[in-house]
Amino acid sequence: GAGVSQTPSNKVTEKGKYVELRCDPISGHTALYWYRQSLGQGPEFLIYFQGTGAADDSGLPNDRFFAVRPEGSVSTLKIQRTERGDSAVYLCASSLTAGGTGELFFGEGSRLTVL
Amino acid sequence: GENVEQHPSTLSVQEGDSAVIKCTYSDSASNYFPWYKQELGKGPQLIIDIRSNVGEKKDQRIAVTLNKTAKHFSLHITETQPEDSAVYFCAAPNQAGTALIFGKGTTLSVSS
Repeated sequence: GAGVSQTPSNKVTEKGKYVELRCDPISGHTALYWYRQSLGQGPEFLIYFQGTGAADDSGLPNDRFFAVRPEGSVSTLKIQRTERGDSAVYLCASSLTAGGTGELFFGEGSRLTVL
Repeated sequence: GENVEQHPSTLSVQEGDSAVIKCTYSDSASNYFPWYKQELGKGPQLIIDIRSNVGEKKDQRIAVTLNKTAKHFSLHITETQPEDSAVYFCAAPNQAGTALIFGKGTTLSVSS
């Protein structure tokens, strides 16, 4: 398909475990974003990549969260020592336009449940 | 930083009626205001956007109006249909201009 692909769609883990969430953006989109969405809330910005570099990581809640995009395409969000409060849907979006002034194309999200 | 407030949080209308959702923002330098629609189990999808050099934009049954002086913008849906039922989010760029900040969403229910 031509859309943003996220895997896994669902992940259940135990408190304290390590988790990786993958995002495959639309081909040619240099901008990539990670957002977190809790139940009944809007998407909350985590990190923005322009190419391979993290241009803005001010939304990452603490140092347990880290994201990479080594070749400027696929990105992985990594969460260490998961906590119950990390439970949410993690959304990835890509865009042709750099920064926050163009259309974002979202994936369907990865639902993370921390028991 | 940018703060985006959206209301109402829920809105129920009869099929054929109009629906209006309002958002306010805090950063007077913001210049781009999109609206996204999210259906259950899906990611948000852009439905319409407006830039600060115009006051209104229409696309068939959907319109967005912008009042820069008051720092608010609104989504108008006319002749609502059951398939319009979804959660709608407004957004505005953050102060750094690097990402969008989203409102908390409005759940629209259209009954036939």
